Amino acid sequence: NAGVTQTPKFRILKIGQSMTLQCTQDMNHNYMYWYRQDPGMGLKLIYYSVGAGITDKGEVPNGYNVSRSTTEDFPLRLELAAPSQTSVYFCASTRIEDQPQHFGDGTRLSIL
Amino acid sequence: GENVEQHPSTLSVQEGDSAVIKCTYSDSASNYFPWYKQELGKRPQLIIDIRSNVGEKKDQRIAVTLNKTAKHFSLHITETQPEDSAVYFCAASYSGGGADGLTFGKGTHLIIQP
Repeated sequence: NAGVTQTPKFRILKIGQSMTLQCTQDMNHNYMYWYRQDPGMGLKLIYYSVGAGITDKGEVPNGYNVSRSTTEDFPLRLELAAPSQTSVYFCASTRIEDQPQHFGDGTRLSIL
Repeated sequence: GENVEQHPSTLSVQEGDSAVIKCTYSDSASNYFPWYKQELGKRPQLIIDIRSNVGEKKDQRIAVTLNKTAKHFSLHITETQPEDSAVYFCAASYSGGGADGLTFGKGTHLIIQP
């Protein structure tokens, strides 16, 4: 099993550009999450999904959108990139509620 | 929503000594408390977790204690080794980190001095 796979690993965007961060898991997990981690800080929840077709906002959803058309994939979209979105983005998943979350390797995003 | 405070932000200990990191949480409904270790440029990795029906859990040199009344939990690392140097994050959630995700502390940079 590959676990949670995120692409790309690194990306530089210009202000106002858009992009999609990809996340896929091969563990048949129902629950998936997007977090962002700013330098020297803990992770903050952006969006989460409890299953295909169901998504909901976390603590810091502004400027982002998500979709969950399949169990495996949970892409995160930035529509109008802003410097404040410079961060490391982690995707995570878990099978059921009371099990630990598995994290991907992250996407390091810089917006200039 | 949940708020998690973590202390200290930096902890330096001599190799072989013990290290203790403390966290407090605000939501009494939280019932799942994991600890993650993150090395520079890497993903967070779970090292131990505890649920609210347990007061203490141990795994070799690592232990976690939970005081539900005071709403705080702590990570204890004994016989520290150079490879323990990393940033450690505590987190809390309701329903085991499922539907609502984890709320993280700001992290503790643990430095093991040789």
